[in-house]
Order: sequence, then structure tokens, then C-alpha cells
Amino acid sequence: DTEVTQTPKHLVMGMTNKKSLKCEQHMGHRAMYWYKQKAKKPPELMFVYSYEKLSINESVPSRFSPECPNSSLLNLHLHALQPEDSALYLCASSQDLRTEAFFGQGTRLTVV
Amino acid sequence: QQQVKQSPQSLIVQKGGISIINCAYENTAFDYFPWYQQFPGKGPALLIAIRPDVSEKKEGRFTISFNKSAKQFSLHIMDSQPGDSATYFCAAKTSYDKVIFGPGTSLSVIP
Repeated sequence: DTEVTQTPKHLVMGMTNKKSLKCEQHMGHRAMYWYKQKAKKPPELMFVYSYEKLSINESVPSRFSPECPNSSLLNLHLHALQPEDSALYLCASSQDLRTEAFFGQGTRLTVV
Repeated sequence: QQQVKQSPQSLIVQKGGISIINCAYENTAFDYFPWYQQFPGKGPALLIAIRPDVSEKKEGRFTISFNKSAKQFSLHIMDSQPGDSATYFCAAKTSYDKVIFGPGTSLSVIP
């Protein structure tokens, strides 16, 4: 299994909603990442987990809250989002922090 | 110092032609240079990668050329096909640090 699986594929949420994005990998990777990508822009790093511990937080607003329940799962909890938070949210994983990252297909998030 | 520059922003190539995308960096601590291919609505997929101790790496129709002294690297796509139409991101990283992406090149291969 060489996939990073993200659910849901699409999500529409209101500004007062609470929702979660989920990411799963079964490649034995010990580093997992959340990226945000706007149209026609490169992915922007949000969070990095290494061995289930938060390693990097790129000064992301607190309305985004990551969680790594175990080495295969990564969640991104969302609450009180703004319309400008609408984007493609990408999860990625790598064997460790030194090696190349493999991306999931992303969750297309629309905040209304 | 952390920036990766990429050109051109967009590229149109005839089927069968060669597509060339160029990137440049400043940080000499970068030691890994991956290229990602992204189709609309999909996540980026690792295409090919190189380390600075190698001047060229070829995988099928895709070749990375690396010039360490000039701090430049490029992707060549030989015999370009319409299915290669996508956005290409060059990137750079140091060990244990985050990937720095270039701004991307939108490639269109026309029949």
C-alpha cells in the first residue's frame, strides 16, 4: 500500500461549524504533514508531525487544530473558519523528516 | 535565502517536443531537490528527485540536470505528450527541514 488516503474529498462548511479532515497511511511512515494549497499556488506547509509529536507549526491560526492519534492517522480539526480558508488541504507522509513526501489527493474545503 | 525561483510560469509545447523548466536557489544547505507533478484537483505526485552530488538523473522521458556551482537545476521532458499537461513544482529541502516549493509552471502540451 503506497497511498495516503484523505477523507472527505469535498467539504462545505459554515463559519460556525466544526468539522474534521482525516488522513491515513499504511506505509510505516513516521512523519506526517498538513499543507494548504490555494489555486495556482504551491502547497504551503501548516503542520509537521514526527513520531506522533508535533514538530513544526507554521504559525497557523488556532482555528486549525491538528491531531495525530497514532503513527498511521492524522486529523485536522476545523472550527470558526473564514471564507478565505477555502482551499485544497493536502496531507502527506514520509519515512522520516529527511526523505521525500508522498501526498494524498486532498480535501477541497469551501467555507460559506 | 529560503526561496526557490522557477521559470517559466507557463509553457506551451507541441506534442513530441521538449519541455524545459528551470529553477534556482540561494541556500547552499539544500541537499535534496524533488520535482512534483500535479494534475487539476489532485495532490502533487513525486516525479523525480536529485541530490547535489549528481549532475544528471534520468527516469524515462524525464531528466533532471543539476548545476551545483550555479545553484540551478532543471527538468527536461522529452517527447512531451498531452498527458504531461499539468503543473510542475520544483522544490528543495535540507535534512530535517521543510520542503520549499517553487511557484510552479503550468505546462500545456498541444497535439
